[in-house]
Amino acid sequence: GQSLEQPSEVTAVEGAIVQINCTYQTSGFYGLSWYQQHDGGAPTFLSYNALDGLEETGRFSSFLSRSDSYGYLLLQELQMKDSASYFCAVRDPNGQNFVFGPGTRLSVLP
Amino acid sequence: SQTIHQWPATLVQPVGSPLSLECTVEGTSNPNLYWYRQAAGRGLQLLFYSVGIGQISSEVPQNLSASRPQDRQFILSSKKLLLSDSGFYLCAWSVTVPGKSPLHFGNGTRLTVT
Repeated sequence: GQSLEQPSEVTAVEGAIVQINCTYQTSGFYGLSWYQQHDGGAPTFLSYNALDGLEETGRFSSFLSRSDSYGYLLLQELQMKDSASYFCAVRDPNGQNFVFGPGTRLSVLP
Repeated sequence: SQTIHQWPATLVQPVGSPLSLECTVEGTSNPNLYWYRQAAGRGLQLLFYSVGIGQISSEVPQNLSASRPQDRQFILSSKKLLLSDSGFYLCAWSVTVPGKSPLHFGNGTRLTVT
């Protein structure tokens, strides 16, 4: 089966940089995804890494190390609107399911 | 462009009553469809997924069921709700080929069983 671990909470101030880590155990691997969910809302897709290295999308970057079964989401120039929960996810070896980590709640302080 | 519709947005139901939540997708064909449940402040639990009409896979044994009567329609049902069925129910779709294609979620249904 698949399991993912993330820190439960992270706090940072506006303008800072924060890193949210994710470690995973999978019997197969189709890449690591990140989703953002604001309170009361639905998760929205942020980024995807299939290969090792850094993927950058604006203020957000995502990193993957397949040998370490580890990835992280990097948020730069934090804004208040970045306060949300962030989930890492992997795709099941059968290729059809998505398994999510427990989520990290990010609080951005003024 | 693809859109996903999920309704109702909120629902309050008494214990023992039936449930029917509906989800439809537009702008794509033969999508994978998913039902997730999220308890307050918790992660996403996969309940059911479907790779085609009439094909349903259940991930968690429970008193819920799912059906896919049409290619882009996914229904979550229960004959008798339990208090533990309260939560935030999310429908989602993805393309069938593994890879970069992400999950696209509907706006969710907040269900309270009283």
